[in-house]
Amino acid sequence: SQTIHQWPATLVQPVGSPLSLECTVEGTSNPNLYWYRQAAGRGLQLLFYSVGIGQISSEVPQNLSASRPQDRQFILSSKKLLLSDSGFYLCAWSVDILLGLEAFFGQGTRLTVV
Amino acid sequence: SQQGEEDPQALSIQEGENATMNCSYKTSINNLQWYRQNSGRGLVHLILIRSNEREKHSGRLRVTLDTSKKSSSLLITASRAADTASYFCATDGYGQNFVFGPGTRLSVLP
Repeated sequence: SQTIHQWPATLVQPVGSPLSLECTVEGTSNPNLYWYRQAAGRGLQLLFYSVGIGQISSEVPQNLSASRPQDRQFILSSKKLLLSDSGFYLCAWSVDILLGLEAFFGQGTRLTVV
Repeated sequence: SQQGEEDPQALSIQEGENATMNCSYKTSINNLQWYRQNSGRGLVHLILIRSNEREKHSGRLRVTLDTSKKSSSLLITASRAADTASYFCATDGYGQNFVFGPGTRLSVLP
C-alpha cells in the first residue's frame, strides 16, 4: 500500500536559519508531489508541485525552494527563514488529478520561526 | 486566484443534526473533491464527484454538484462529535494542481 512520510512534525527555527523539510512516498512510482502551506485556521496555499524528477513548478514567489532529487522524494528548503515563513506545511502526492484520483497528505510540519 | 470557496466559514451544530457546507468555484472543472482535516493533522479524502455527476453518496455523506452554478454542497447526516473538523473542497485547477478553498470549521457539540 502507498504511504507518505513527512518530517519533522514540529520545528522551531530562528530567523535567518536554513530550512529543510523532507517528504517521501512509498508504494507508487512517478507520483505528482506537492508542498502546501496552511496559515492558522485558513485554507491551503500551493507552494510547489512536481510531475517528475527535477521538474519543479512554483506557484508563488517566496523565500522557499523545492527539489525532487529522487522519484519519491520531495524537499522544501530555505536558505534564510523569515518570520512570515511560520505555518503548517503539508506534503501530498497524487497519481493523476484529471482522472479524479485523490491526493494523499502527510501529517504536516508545524514550523515556528522565532 | 482561488478556485474553491466554502461557506460557512464556521458551523456549530448539536450531535444528531445534519451539517451542510457549500463550495463555489470559478472555472470549469473535471472533478471536485471534499477533504477533512482534524486539527493539526493532514487532510483525508472523503468523496469525489465528477463534473458529469449531480449527486453522490458515501455512508453519511452526500455531495451534490451544480456545474451551471459552479457550486457543490457536502451534507453530513446524523452528525457525531467525531465529525468535528475542518472540511475543504478541492478542484482540479489547471494541469495537475489541486486548488483548495479556505474550508469550513465544523463543531459538533455533544
